[in-house]
Amino acid sequence: QVQLVQSGAEVKKPGASVKVSCKASGYTFTTYGISWVRQAPGQALEWMGWISAYNGNTNYAQKLQDRVTMTTDTSTTTAYMELRGLRSDDTAVYYCARDFYCSSTRCAFDIWGQGTMVTVSP
Amino acid sequence: EIVMTQSPATLSVSPGERATLSCRASQSVSSNLAWYQQKPGQAPRLLIYGASTRATGIPARFSGSGSGTEFTLTISSLQSEDFAVYYCQQYNYWPLTFGGGTKVEIK
Repeated sequence: QVQLVQSGAEVKKPGASVKVSCKASGYTFTTYGISWVRQAPGQALEWMGWISAYNGNTNYAQKLQDRVTMTTDTSTTTAYMELRGLRSDDTAVYYCARDFYCSSTRCAFDIWGQGTMVTVSP
Repeated sequence: EIVMTQSPATLSVSPGERATLSCRASQSVSSNLAWYQQKPGQAPRLLIYGASTRATGIPARFSGSGSGTEFTLTISSLQSEDFAVYYCQQYNYWPLTFGGGTKVEIK
């Protein structure tokens, strides 16, 4: 079945970096883009950025673009999100989500990973 | 950035009743609007895309309407499994943006 499986929970110190993985299976990886969405405790969903699994093109949220890098490895059908310079307000559940229905490359998402909790604490 | 505003923040409804959730965009997003349901500890689930098309497997009691700046999600007869938080999302412009959510709780 189509699924996205993410790496496990992380605890990091302020200023450190985290890299979350998202392993895709059950579909042709390069046909769909992947977005990353995060959710701070008790808060709404926040879109972080998007990567094309076909050609690696990216589009990042402006507030994060100096600190975030999204990549894919087509040989392992895995997407990655690295966030640098972690702060306490980066504490959140991080989700990857597959493009589904799109306006150009901007899409709604049909398949979501299970989420990865990233905790930033001194 | 397109700001998505959802109302009300919390909706108290009895099982079997109708629920009407609103989502407003700060400028027109055409019909490029999706709705998601999220239960505690779970990832969001796509309900509606293109403002009014139900995703695969979504019951007919869920319906979406609207275009431009005003959108509505209606749940015709609330079931116990429908009590959750609902988010709208626009995908007409970068950056993609979500609303703040509406929590549907049991009255």
